[in-house]
Amino acid sequence: QVQLQESGPGLVKPSQTLSLSCSVSGDSITTSYFWSWVRQHPGKGLEWMGYIHYSGNAYYNPSLRSRLSISVDTSKNQFSLTLNSVTGADTAVYYCARVAALVRGMITLDTFDIWGQGTMVSVSS
Amino acid sequence: DIQMTQSPSSLSASVGDRVTITCRASQRISGYVNWYQQKPGKAPKLLIYAASSLQSGVPPRFSGSGSGTDFTLTITSLQPEDVATYYCQQTYRTPPFTFGPGTKVAIK
Repeated sequence: QVQLQESGPGLVKPSQTLSLSCSVSGDSITTSYFWSWVRQHPGKGLEWMGYIHYSGNAYYNPSLRSRLSISVDTSKNQFSLTLNSVTGADTAVYYCARVAALVRGMITLDTFDIWGQGTMVSVSS
Repeated sequence: DIQMTQSPSSLSASVGDRVTITCRASQRISGYVNWYQQKPGKAPKLLIYAASSLQSGVPPRFSGSGSGTDFTLTITSLQPEDVATYYCQQTYRTPPFTFGPGTKVAIK
C-alpha cells in the first residue's frame, strides 16, 4: 500500500531555512494526485501549507506564500518543503499527505487520504 | 477564504452513547466537506468525504450529513477507540483548504 514518510532536521535556528522531504513508497509520484504539506502547532489544529503536482504546478497558502516553496523529485519519488526565515511560530509537527480526488454523485472533491506519520520541528537557538 | 467553525470544542460521553459534532462554513459550500479523526500522537485519518460518504475501512458507526453551511458528524455508539480529535475540512473553493478548529472527544 502507499506510504509516506517525512524526513528532515528536528531543530532549526531562527532566521534559517527549514527543509523537509516526504518519500512516497508503494506508488509512483507521477500520478494524478497532488502532494501536500500540512502542519500542526503544538496543541493546535491543522494548517494546510501547500501542494504540488508532479508536473511542477504548486499552490500555496497565502499566509505562507512569501516564505514557502514545494518541489518534487520524480527520480527519488519524493517531494520537499522549504520554509525560509523561520521563527518560533514555525515550531510544529509537519505532515505530508496525498491529495486524491474522490467522486460522489455530482461532486468531485479533494481529500487528504494518506498521511505520513509526521515529524516534529522545533525552531530555537 | 472560507472559514470553518466546530461545536462543541470538546465533549465527554459514555461508551455506547450517540455523539454529534457540528461544523459550520462561513459561506455555502454544497457538500464539499471532509471529516478527519486524529488520535493522540498520530496523523489525521480520513473518515468521511463529500459530507456523507464513508471512507473505505471506516466503521459504519460513523456517519456524516449536511449541505450548504451546516454539517454533522455522528458516532452512533461511541467506543473507547474513538477517543480522538475530529476535524472538518472544506474543499469547495480551493486552494486554500481550511480545517475547522477541532472537537476533542473523550470517554466519561
